[in-house]
Amino acid sequence: AQSVTQLGSHVSVSEGALVLLRCNYSSSVPPYLFWYVQYPNQGLQLLLKYTTGATLVKGINGFEAEFKKSETSFHLTKPSAHMSDAAEYFCAVSSFSGGYNKLIFGAGTRLAVHP
Amino acid sequence: EPEVTQTPSHQVTQMGQEVILRCVPISNHLYFYWYRQILGQKVEFLVSFYNNEISEKSEIFDDQFSVERPDGSNFTLKIRSTKLEDSAMYFCASSPARTSSYNEQFFGPGTRLTVL
Repeated sequence: AQSVTQLGSHVSVSEGALVLLRCNYSSSVPPYLFWYVQYPNQGLQLLLKYTTGATLVKGINGFEAEFKKSETSFHLTKPSAHMSDAAEYFCAVSSFSGGYNKLIFGAGTRLAVHP
Repeated sequence: EPEVTQTPSHQVTQMGQEVILRCVPISNHLYFYWYRQILGQKVEFLVSFYNNEISEKSEIFDDQFSVERPDGSNFTLKIRSTKLEDSAMYFCASSPARTSSYNEQFFGPGTRLTVL
């Protein structure tokens, strides 16, 4: 079975500071890993994904994440936070079967950015 | 840019009533999903649908739930007799034809269901 753990349900940073949102996964097969962002009253938007290949993946809005197999981690970072980054962030692992994927989500981390 | 749409955005119903949540996936997509998020909890997989049949369903998706693609555009989730614990945000998602071992899922904005 696959699972995702996000450390820290709430993270608060100052504008311009480094953003680090932590995600650890459990998977018995090579995982596909994702970060989604949810702005208030909106759906889930894909930030970035790791499937195969380069372990450092870049996404939208300046975010990136690094897949570390030895640590079973896929932490999300952004060098400099912007007020517009305030949202809820979900890490997810994909269980692939027969041509489709079932996403298994973590509990989410709410990011607050203050001036 | 094509997007997944869901209606209504908010549905309030009485316990025991039937509700139908509607989704219009992106037009050339072939795989469809429902997820739900109970307030303060994680997003949970409910069901996946392909070629007019359920591909996989979770333990949550019991006999009270059903899905249907009644025409070429809509994808619906029906809850036959709602319970208080069905109150949640329900997300529809779709993904395109299989071109690799992974297909990105595109999510709708969700329907907030409140059962009184």
